Amino acid sequence: GESVGLHLPTLSVQEGDNSIINCAYSNSASDYFIWYKQESGKGPQFIIDIRSNMDKRQGQRVTVLLNKTVKHLSLQIAATQPGDSAVYFCAENRNAGNMLTFGGGTRLMVKP
Amino acid sequence: KAGVTQTPRYLIKTRGQQVTLSCSPISGHRSVSWYQQTPGQGLQFLFEYFSETQRNKGNFPGRFSGRQFSNSRSEMNVSTLELGDSALYLCASSTDRTYNSPLHFGNGTRLTVT
Repeated sequence: GESVGLHLPTLSVQEGDNSIINCAYSNSASDYFIWYKQESGKGPQFIIDIRSNMDKRQGQRVTVLLNKTVKHLSLQIAATQPGDSAVYFCAENRNAGNMLTFGGGTRLMVKP
Repeated sequence: KAGVTQTPRYLIKTRGQQVTLSCSPISGHRSVSWYQQTPGQGLQFLFEYFSETQRNKGNFPGRFSGRQFSNSRSEMNVSTLELGDSALYLCASSTDRTYNSPLHFGNGTRLTVT
């Protein structure tokens, strides 16, 4: 498959466990944040987003937490499944357009 | 609803040549953005188009250009190709009813420059 990053931090979890992927962002003026999942050979797939006026947002099996004080974003995946194995990217929007700044990515590996 | 479609899927070009990549956004989406993905630099923003106008531009040389048509389809062009232009080029579209709407990506065009 295509490599999206040769030296990505890797999180290895057991199937059924919960996963937490962390991301630090740099611009305190960023007001919109998105998590993407990228599988080998595919483009990034939208998972969940959150605006800066919120601290937490939940989706199906996923939760995003935003801590603006320390400029930290996390993605929690409940009951992790083998199909969750992928590279996960956080992205922030620093201006009023649709220009996103992406983090370096974290590789999630799920052990059966 | 069909997703973002990018063509071609793979391209091999020689240094000095030029290349045009095509993107068809999700139906109804008027904002189209382009990103370059490499193992070393990650995902980097190239430019964004909305209603046929470039709205934002990333920090790439002028060899990288793009345009958007009245049907929201977009193309990007890279002239005088360099080895370092080898990358996955991703197109993304959004509804852009308001700013800060999620981008939906295509599967990219893998460009190899030899």
